[in-house]
Amino acid sequence: EAGVTQSPTHLIKTRGQQVTLRCSPISGHTSVYWYQQALGLGLQFLLWYDEGEERNRGNFPPRFSGRQFPNYSSELNVNALELEDSALYLCASSLVEGRPSNEKLFFGSGTQLSVL
Amino acid sequence: DAKTTQPNSMESNEEEPVHLPCNHSTISGTDYIHWYRQLPSQGPEYVIHGLTSNVNNRMASLAIAEDRKSSTLILHRATLRDAAVYYCILRDASGGNNNDMRFGAGTRLTVKP
Repeated sequence: EAGVTQSPTHLIKTRGQQVTLRCSPISGHTSVYWYQQALGLGLQFLLWYDEGEERNRGNFPPRFSGRQFPNYSSELNVNALELEDSALYLCASSLVEGRPSNEKLFFGSGTQLSVL
Repeated sequence: DAKTTQPNSMESNEEEPVHLPCNHSTISGTDYIHWYRQLPSQGPEYVIHGLTSNVNNRMASLAIAEDRKSSTLILHRATLRDAAVYYCILRDASGGNNNDMRFGAGTRLTVKP
């Protein structure tokens, strides 16, 4: 069974540009989470999608946005890139069976974004 | 949101047990305790989770204090492959849109040969 796949693996952009990152969840998983991990830091929660709907977003400006498609894949869009957006962007998928507290997240390997 | 507190770093010797602590003094009755770990250059992976009773699986054990204000992840015999950042996370069982999975800074475990 294929795991969570993210593309591209690496990306270099310049300040002010826009970027789209993609995530394909594990087959059958309906929830997708996005996280930002700056170098040497912990994971910062960005967005949570479930069944095509945005369930919650973290403390990030509106230029960070995304969507989830009917096949449960997801995109993360970042507009007007800034230098501090340089980070590893991680996607995770899950299937909620029963209570959300029993949900296990499965992570991809991430997209490393460098903003110059 | 209920928060967790973990030491920034810990060291262990190979083949010795490791006890990774987590404090969550504001935990609510419906919060589950989840542990994930992140190996170098990888996304995090699930380790274990529990509510009140101690839990065991093939990777680790989770010991939960009687008052639930702290928990300990136990690696019974550390290997070099266990060197990672370990995250302790609380997640509310009641669901809702605010019930996302938020990671803190975690504990960086170094395993010495």
